[in-house]
Order: sequence, then C-alpha cells, then structure tokens
Amino acid sequence: KAGVTQTPRYLIKTRGQQVTLSCSPISGHRSVSWYQQTPGQGLQFLFEYFSETQRNKGNFPGRFSGRQFSNSRSEMNVSTLELGDSALYLCASSDGTGVSTDTQYFGPGTRLTVL
Amino acid sequence: AQKITQTQPGMFVQEKEAVTLDCTYDTSDQSYGLFWYKQPSSGEMIFLIYQGSYDEQNATEGRYSLNFQKARKSANLVISASQLGDSAMYFCAMSPLTYNQGGKLIFGQGTELSVKP
Repeated sequence: KAGVTQTPRYLIKTRGQQVTLSCSPISGHRSVSWYQQTPGQGLQFLFEYFSETQRNKGNFPGRFSGRQFSNSRSEMNVSTLELGDSALYLCASSDGTGVSTDTQYFGPGTRLTVL
Repeated sequence: AQKITQTQPGMFVQEKEAVTLDCTYDTSDQSYGLFWYKQPSSGEMIFLIYQGSYDEQNATEGRYSLNFQKARKSANLVISASQLGDSAMYFCAMSPLTYNQGGKLIFGQGTELSVKP
C-alpha cells in the first residue's frame, strides 16, 4: 500500500496570508489526524477527522481549521498567518477505530515558513 | 492530564551496541496504548513499536523491543545492535482510551540518538 502523502512539502508565506495543506491517507484508513511540530512546543495535536467529521480537537485558535472528504483525504487551513505558525505540519492516518490500539502512520510533513 | 516524559535530550551509542531510550508516562486510564516513533532529519515520523497496557509480554519488532513496566509507568525502547542509520530523534507517545479522544497522540519531547562508527 502507498503511504500517507502530503502536499506541498514546502511552503513560504507572509504574515496575514492563508494557507491550505493537503493529506492523502493510506488506502482504507478513515481517520486523519494533524499535528504541529515546532522546536519550542514539540509535537502538538491539532485535530482529527473520521468519516468527514471532526471527532477531536486540540488547543489551537480558530484560525486553524480542517475538513475531510468522502475519500478520506483531508485538508487543513490556516488563516491570517502569524510568524509563530512556522512549523512542520504532520498528518497521520489510521483505521480510526478510536481506541488505544489504533496505530497512526505519518506522512512526510509540510514545512511552512511564515515571513 | 496525560503526560509523556523523556528525560534524555541526547544520547550517543557506539555502532553495534545496544541502547535504551527512557520514557515515563502519566495517566489515570486503565487502558491505553504506548508507541515509539523515529524521526530522521527528513522529518517523517516512522512507527517503530506498539505496546498495549494490557499486554503481558513486552513488544518486540526486529531490533526494537519495548521494556514495559506498568507499575512504574515506564515504556523504555531498547535498540539492539545499533546501526548508523539509527541516528535520529525518537519519540515516545501515548494514546488515550476513550472513543471521543480518538486520533490523538500525546508525545514526549524526544531523545536525539547519535550512533558513532
């Protein structure tokens, strides 16, 4: 099976702009989770989508949003970019059973730089 | 609140030797999952090994084994016969039990492992 893919791999934006990142999960996986990784805060959970519904959400401002399509592909959007949004954004997919045994498989990430 | 602690920011190991990366966790759940991931400099998180809280035997996957001590709330990763390609960041993570917490992994701060030739 093909792994998790994320596009684009690199992005450079300026403050105030918005950005959309895309994630295609492993075939058959229904859950997609998004994480932000920064040197200062480490890996932080943004949100998770399962069957086109947001099932879980982390502690991020409303500028961060996402959605999932019927083919399980997911997008996340960040509006009004701030310098602090510069980070590696990782997406992960899983079966989505939602219990503690669910293994998440990660994509290569999108590295966002905000100038 | 659930928390993962990795107390070793960086470690060195000689090629072909074994190394243990420490991980302790805090949770009030009775059932949970523990994971280890490897992150090379390229950025991708690679799943290594999983341990369920009710699993009586320690998990093993090739050169990776997880030393699970439930009473001490520790889940240390042991890498046997280290290779140069093992140089990377290693993250310990925990998944909560409840369905409405699905899709959320809680990560530690990571340990940077360097393998010396």
